[in-house]
Amino acid sequence: DAGITQSPRYKITETGRQVTLMCHQTWSHSYMFWYRQDLGHGLRLIYYSAAADITDKGEVPDGYVVSRSKTENFPLTLESATRSQTSVYFCASSGRQGTGTGVEKLFFGSGTQLSVL
Amino acid sequence: TQLLEQSPQFLSIQEGENLTVYCNSSSVFSSLQWYRQEPGEGPVLLVTVVTGGEVKKLKRLTFQFGDARKDSSLHITAAQPGDTGLYLCAGVFSWGKLQFGAGTQVVVTP
Repeated sequence: DAGITQSPRYKITETGRQVTLMCHQTWSHSYMFWYRQDLGHGLRLIYYSAAADITDKGEVPDGYVVSRSKTENFPLTLESATRSQTSVYFCASSGRQGTGTGVEKLFFGSGTQLSVL
Repeated sequence: TQLLEQSPQFLSIQEGENLTVYCNSSSVFSSLQWYRQEPGEGPVLLVTVVTGGEVKKLKRLTFQFGDARKDSSLHITAAQPGDTGLYLCAGVFSWGKLQFGAGTQVVVTP
């Protein structure tokens, strides 16, 4: 089915380990995003990408690395996981290069629940 | 710093009652979006409001954008159990950078 998929759905890891969360979309959307969702904070942008090989930092990028070698994939890597990175991670995509007028629509994946022990 | 404040944080009502969720900020947005999120799923866009004072209706849901484009409200008439979910507002500053509120958890019981 077309859409945006994230894997794994659940992940438990230990402090200091490297973890990679996968995101794949089948719409050929130009823009992709990584958010984390924590109680009381809502969704916070980690990194985003405007196209293959173009990425930029969001609000909370520290401790995370992204890459985008292909349009459809946007993996997020925690190089050395910390307990503060326990969260639910959402990937999203959007096909429109907007003008800031607010007509852009984000399509979200179902999330990855990550626990760092 | 939470630029977008949503209130209340939690709302529990009976089926058939009305409810209103508020989204406030000191910042001016080019537009504002409302999403609904169900357990174990990502948020789904409900509506985008662009013009100050704009009112949009989606069946029993009414969305309003403040005249100064700093605040918004979501009103649900005759709530149904299917309206249960986390409602998130998101202010759009520039393309691709949305500022989300913390969300309002709505529970509608039969």
